[in-house]
Amino acid sequence: GENVEQHPSTLSVQEGDSAVIKCTYSDSASNYFPWYKQELGKRPQLIIDIRSNVGEKKDQRIAVTLNKTAKHFSLHITETQPEDSAVYFCAAVRPGTSYGKLTFGQGTILTVHP
Amino acid sequence: EAQVTQNPRYLITVTGKKLTVTCSQNMNHEYMSWYRQDPGLGLRQIYYSMNVEVTDKGDVPEGYKVSRKEKRNFPLILESPSPNQTSLYFCASSTPDRRRETQYFGPGTRLLVL
Repeated sequence: GENVEQHPSTLSVQEGDSAVIKCTYSDSASNYFPWYKQELGKRPQLIIDIRSNVGEKKDQRIAVTLNKTAKHFSLHITETQPEDSAVYFCAAVRPGTSYGKLTFGQGTILTVHP
Repeated sequence: EAQVTQNPRYLITVTGKKLTVTCSQNMNHEYMSWYRQDPGLGLRQIYYSMNVEVTDKGDVPEGYKVSRKEKRNFPLILESPSPNQTSLYFCASSTPDRRRETQYFGPGTRLLVL
């Protein structure tokens, strides 16, 4: 089955700096890659996603890039703010299994220091 | 308000005592899933369902059962809970409509098995 590796497991930055989280996946047939943010004590919420026919997608301060050849995708957060502190999860979806079946990475704890 | 609800939110039980965690969604979503979240392991899918009476195993199905008799409900059953099932559980729902495919997560159920 699909396997998703996420790095780093923890990331500490100063307010205003950029943060980058990377994920690799094993199944070259995977074609949908969402990112979730989970604040302390809350449920995961989708923040951005990308499909395999697109190389990059941006939404204000966050962006996601995808390299299908290398089978990795990354989350970029610019001008970080303390409220960006949370656990971030990447995920991958294989076609044929429907969007009901996600394989998640292990998560990255992002801390943004004021 | 569109939402996924879970009950109970917190549960302490003893080994071997059958329990059920309920999940309900009001968005008429076809897909529903159960995940468990453990430190350092991310979110792992237990079971998923693509529609009424259609369920399939996720990555960690051992020790769990599910049923999907109605579209809105997807209960998780632990017939004989064991301490290694102590975890944070999330139910999620989604739709195959690519315009609205976000996975909506419930608030989570924290389970402690003694």
